[in-house]
Amino acid sequence: GESVGLHLPTLSVQEGDNSIINCAYSNSASDYFIWYKQESGKGPQFIIDIRSNMDKRQGQRVTVLLNKTVKHLSLQIAATQPGDSAVYFCAESDGSQGNLIFGKGTKLSVKP
Amino acid sequence: DVKVTQSSRYLVKRTGEKVFLECVQDMDHENMFWYRQDPGLGLRLIYFSYDVKMKEKGDIPEGYSVSREKKERFSLILESASTNQTSMYLCASSRTSGSYTQYFGPGTRLTVL
Repeated sequence: GESVGLHLPTLSVQEGDNSIINCAYSNSASDYFIWYKQESGKGPQFIIDIRSNMDKRQGQRVTVLLNKTVKHLSLQIAATQPGDSAVYFCAESDGSQGNLIFGKGTKLSVKP
Repeated sequence: DVKVTQSSRYLVKRTGEKVFLECVQDMDHENMFWYRQDPGLGLRLIYFSYDVKMKEKGDIPEGYSVSREKKERFSLILESASTNQTSMYLCASSRTSGSYTQYFGPGTRLTVL
């Protein structure tokens, strides 16, 4: 099995509840942020992104909130489903060279 | 849809062997990246490339080299595999401008015995 979820903070939620996953970023010059989902045995998958000129962006069942004052990013998942079980991590970019800085991730576990 | 493919999902090699990991993207992206992912350490950048025949060292380039002869293909080479290179290897690609989103391949789980 995939061991990427070991040693990570874990969030356990009941199916149907809302989930909130948090991320603190490091660079106040970062102007672009991304959330990824990584299921066991797979590569990271893009979920949603947000630019620093916004503080909220919504997608299908997901919302990203950005608080630049405290350098904090969150991902909200509405009506969490078993298929949402995965490791979620944030990434930031300051626009230089296209490189991203990745967070360590949070493991989301959904109980049926 | 962006598609990034990697040549193998699972690979088992012996210490000292030369290992090639291939990555191909079909979206005409300028940038390509190689990462390794280990428990507790997250994603670590090995090498990246902004254009054909160009390469830049990432955070952990030691023991690795890369090749980018065509825009769509980025190869990671382990000249002499060692057991501490047992890991999940992930390739990604992105555009140079506009969005910095990197799109990942499925990963190659490499075991070096």
